Amino acid sequence: TQLLKQSPQFLSIQEGENLTVYCNSSSVFSSLQWYRQEPGEGPVLLVTVVTGGEVKKLKRLTFQFGDARKDSSLHITAAQPGDTGLYLCAGGKRSQGNLIFGKGTKLSVKP
Amino acid sequence: ETGVTQTPRHLVMGMTNKKSLKCEQHLGHNAMYWYKQSAKKPLELMFVYNFKEQTENNSVPSRFSPECPNSSHLFLHLHTLQPEDSALYLCASSQDSTVNNEQFFGPGTRLTVL
Repeated sequence: TQLLKQSPQFLSIQEGENLTVYCNSSSVFSSLQWYRQEPGEGPVLLVTVVTGGEVKKLKRLTFQFGDARKDSSLHITAAQPGDTGLYLCAGGKRSQGNLIFGKGTKLSVKP
Repeated sequence: ETGVTQTPRHLVMGMTNKKSLKCEQHLGHNAMYWYKQSAKKPLELMFVYNFKEQTENNSVPSRFSPECPNSSHLFLHLHTLQPEDSALYLCASSQDSTVNNEQFFGPGTRLTVL
């Protein structure tokens, strides 16, 4: 059973385009984190959202946590080749104390 | 040296070998984690140590044996592995094992079992 489903699995776009990737679950999470992983490296945390409906912005990246805290989205404006990487979402549940990761969205931004 | 470091970065071993992966964090954190990352699968949590005590063993086969001598160091001892154990093994640390805490990852060890 895949607790956190990320879509799309793969995305290839041209520089300057906008995109949105999704992280969905039937479970409620107390927090949700987004990471970016580049080839040959470990994941790097981008943002943590904890409140239903919360929106956080990190330069050209906008993160939203769903009202029911079951889903999240990441929107990138005017994508650049440096945005290329694997975007992972991870949900946290206080009852479990550990993060549950999705499979990730592999983004490729071509110049 | 800052952040989370892992050695070796690449490891090729036979099924009868014994090897160890090392992780060191320079962040003053109290929790450390081992994850396995395989192609087409989500990151799988293997072990969690909080204040040097193992608090999670996620049904990991006994051919993987963790060791946490202090809050800064974490090892993963490997013996009689199988080819399906080939994967990227990631170490992470966080302030403690509270779920909202940010986890900092090392670069990983790419393991190939022949």
